[in-house]
Amino acid sequence: GAVVSQHPSRVICKSGTSVKIECRSLDFQATTMFWYRQFPKQSLMLMATSNEGSKATYEQGVEKDKFLINHASLTLSTLTVTSAHPEDSSFYICSAAKRTATNEKLFFGSGTQLSVL
Amino acid sequence: KQEVTQIPAALSVPEGENLVLNCSFTDSAIYNLQWFRQDPGKGLTSLLLIQSSQREQTSGRLNASLDKSSGRSTLYIAASQPGDSATYLCAVDQTGANNLFFGTGTRLTVIP
Repeated sequence: GAVVSQHPSRVICKSGTSVKIECRSLDFQATTMFWYRQFPKQSLMLMATSNEGSKATYEQGVEKDKFLINHASLTLSTLTVTSAHPEDSSFYICSAAKRTATNEKLFFGSGTQLSVL
Repeated sequence: KQEVTQIPAALSVPEGENLVLNCSFTDSAIYNLQWFRQDPGKGLTSLLLIQSSQREQTSGRLNASLDKSSGRSTLYIAASQPGDSATYLCAVDQTGANNLFFGTGTRLTVIP
C-alpha cells in the first residue's frame, strides 16, 4: 500500500503564531492532495483541494488567506495556519490521491492535533 | 448540501458477535461510498468502496451494502475481534473528484 506521512502529529502554539503542517506521499506521486479538519464530535470536513503547481481550491467558508496551502512538488503539500487563534484548534488531516491504471485511491496521513493557547 | 449520518455513535460488543454499522446520506446522487477505519493517532484506512451502480462489496469478514435510492449503507462485521476496535467512518463522493462528505463515525469496542 501507499504511505502518506503527516507532520507534526501534535502541536501547541500561542495565539497569533503561524503553524505549518506537512503532508508527504512517500512512495508515490500525488497530483492532488486534500486537507480536512475535524472539530470534536463532528465530521471530517474538507477544507481545500491542493493541486500540484496551481492554486488550491477552497471549500465555502474556509479563509484562503488564513489557511495557506502550497503544493510545490508531486510529493509534498503544506498547510500553514496563519495567526492561529484558539478557535483554530482542531484535528487536521491530509490525504493524497494515487492514480492506478483503473482508478484513483485516497491515502490518508495520521493527522495533526493543533492546540492554540 | 450532502449530510452523512452514522448510527450508533458508539457500540460495544463481546468478541465473536456479528454487528452492523449504519450510514445514511441525504442526497442520493452519489458517485461512490466508502467505509474507512480510523485508529487513535493514525490516519484513515479504506476498507470498502462501493460504486453507485453496485449494491454491495465484500472483503474478508466485512460486507458493505448500498441502497442509493433510500440513502443508506450498512457495514456488516462478522465474528468480531478485539482488533476490530476502532472508529468506522463512512464517506460519500458525489462527483468522483474525491470530494468526500464524511459521517461522524461509530466508535466500536470489541470486548475480549
